[in-house]
Amino acid sequence: AAGVIQSPRHLIKEKRETATLKCYPIPRHDTVYWYQQGPGQDPQFLISFYEKMQSDKGSIPDRFSAQQFSDYHSELNMSSLELGDSALYFCASSSGTPAEQYFGPGTRLTVT
Amino acid sequence: AQKITQTQPGMFVQEKEAVTLDCTYDTSDQSYGLFWYKQPSSGEMIFLIYQGSYDEQNATEGRYSLNFQKARKSANLVISASQLGDSAMYFCAMREGLIQGAQKLVFGQGTRLTINP
Repeated sequence: AAGVIQSPRHLIKEKRETATLKCYPIPRHDTVYWYQQGPGQDPQFLISFYEKMQSDKGSIPDRFSAQQFSDYHSELNMSSLELGDSALYFCASSSGTPAEQYFGPGTRLTVT
Repeated sequence: AQKITQTQPGMFVQEKEAVTLDCTYDTSDQSYGLFWYKQPSSGEMIFLIYQGSYDEQNATEGRYSLNFQKARKSANLVISASQLGDSAMYFCAMREGLIQGAQKLVFGQGTRLTINP
């Protein structure tokens, strides 16, 4: 069965650089969630989209923005990167309500 | 206030034994869902099992079962006949509400399970 695809899997950036993370949900899933997991921490919700519209927002810094495109893939844009942004970034997709969320493999971002 | 509490930072179990991972939750919603995810050292989040708040039967998926006690607000994960490959971090998570697109998960702190041969 098709799963959630995230790219890139690993990313190394320097402070103050920008990064773009991509997420391709499971086919026919219309909802995407982004989570950030710092080292040794539990995942924290950042933002979600349903039918290409932002539907919920968590503790996402103003330096981050995201959107969902017409083909339902989503991108998380991160600017002015800080050392504290180093984390595992997960995308999860779902369909319907109530719904199970299926996670992608994550993008490991390292800011140096 | 913490909505999901996992009180066991680490657990060590002998192979083939059963293990129970504790999870308590706090919500005022009538409709919610409880999830367990496994995160091996490679980092991916693997969905294990789901229990809806209105489900009368405890959820089961192969060797995994969820001991759902609604009055106590607990949703413990039971793994039967543990295997070496079960060694991982386990997260309990809760989804509140039914608004599509706004059903974010809130996670507990996790329990690191180690299976000894």
